Amino acid sequence: DTGVSQDPRHKITKRGQNVTFRCDPISEHNRLYWYRQTLGQGPEFLTYFQNEAQLEKSRLLSDRFSAERPKGSFSTLEIQRTEQGDSAMYLCASSLDPQPQHFGDGTRLSIL
Amino acid sequence: EDQVTQSPEALRLQEGESSSLNCSYTVSGLRGLFWYRQDPGKGPEFLFTLYSAGEEKEKERLKATLTKKESFLHITAPKPEDSATYLCAVQAPNTGNQFYFGTGTSLTVIP
Repeated sequence: DTGVSQDPRHKITKRGQNVTFRCDPISEHNRLYWYRQTLGQGPEFLTYFQNEAQLEKSRLLSDRFSAERPKGSFSTLEIQRTEQGDSAMYLCASSLDPQPQHFGDGTRLSIL
Repeated sequence: EDQVTQSPEALRLQEGESSSLNCSYTVSGLRGLFWYRQDPGKGPEFLFTLYSAGEEKEKERLKATLTKKESFLHITAPKPEDSATYLCAVQAPNTGNQFYFGTGTSLTVIP
């Protein structure tokens, strides 16, 4: 069990730039989730996939955010035209429903 | 309206001083309540799942219990390595069947 892997671990970018994060879930897990976490807060749900289908999106996920999970394996989360408020830790989790979610160590995004 | 409230926000204990963390929830039709541990700069690490009132789970110095309105995470004789933020999350139909997390309790165990 290699766990959930996220890349990069840290990303620093200028406001207005686009960024893309990658998540590799635990191989047999069919569900994949994205969360955002800011300092002192719990993770906030953004979206989730069952296999390759994106089944739910939070209202937090503005039009600048898009997520994909081609072929039901790894997933990418893209943020276009980044803003200061996008600075956060972006966490990915996977599960084999109904088992609990297992998280990666996140990508920390800093907007200059 | 907050669906999950954790208390206290922060807790400092002497090594060996037992205590409890609280997670109260307002969702109906609870599908599960989950406890996670999070170390600085890391993702949450799964600890326990509780499904119904009266259920208890134990792991080393930790014991989680569940009632119809709240869950407790009891820490017996904590050690400095138990220092972390403890998060609880609920899953219920009115959370879209997704996890809704509390803001966590930051635990510091002093040697």
